[in-house]
Amino acid sequence: DAGITQSPRHKVTETGTPVTLRCHQTENHRYMYWYRQDPGHGLRLIHYSYGVKDTDKGEVSDGYSVSRSKTEDFLLTLESATSSQTSVYFCAISGRASGNTIYFGEGSWLTVV
Amino acid sequence: RKEVEQDPGPFNVPEGATVAFNCTYSNSASQSFFWYRQDCRKEPKLLMSVYSSGNEDGRFTAQLNRASQYISLLIRDSKLSDSATYLCVVTMSTSGTYKYIFGTGTRLKVLA
Repeated sequence: DAGITQSPRHKVTETGTPVTLRCHQTENHRYMYWYRQDPGHGLRLIHYSYGVKDTDKGEVSDGYSVSRSKTEDFLLTLESATSSQTSVYFCAISGRASGNTIYFGEGSWLTVV
Repeated sequence: RKEVEQDPGPFNVPEGATVAFNCTYSNSASQSFFWYRQDCRKEPKLLMSVYSSGNEDGRFTAQLNRASQYISLLIRDSKLSDSATYLCVVTMSTSGTYKYIFGTGTRLKVLA
């Protein structure tokens, strides 16, 4: 196991409510990522972090924000959830210690009703 | 054109068959290449890295053709447990940050 924990694993929320997903790693890797995976689109990068307080946008960042106040934690916030954000969200980590291989958490299934 | 393209399948093959998947990538500056396996409702997991000289891990063989910009995965003696979606992953480094580009996956179903 890659030492990545996501929470919550499953969540149902209402349109317009804020939602925060948490990713916790025990590997001390520098890079952390949030992806969403939808049928027909594959894995799409939302945001990533290259260090504490250092984050950048991915290809589908609208409606999402992130924060990384500690090496081990990377939070993804949906500021006002919409039905189009119903998806499975994967956190991932990579770093020199992993030979720059990317490893994924088990996923967080989010349904926005 | 997508940066990484895979045939979505599904590939339905009988147990014991040999099956091959290809993946093409558009950016010649791509640096590293991987195959990941993803089971239904699970996270992608590293199957194997792909090296220029080709590499083998048991029944799995991966090859890279930089001139034609594709990578391949060969599975020999397919098992029922090989049924999964196989994702091709290509990396590029920009300003010291690795960018991982995923194909949409090829679905394999091994039939008894």
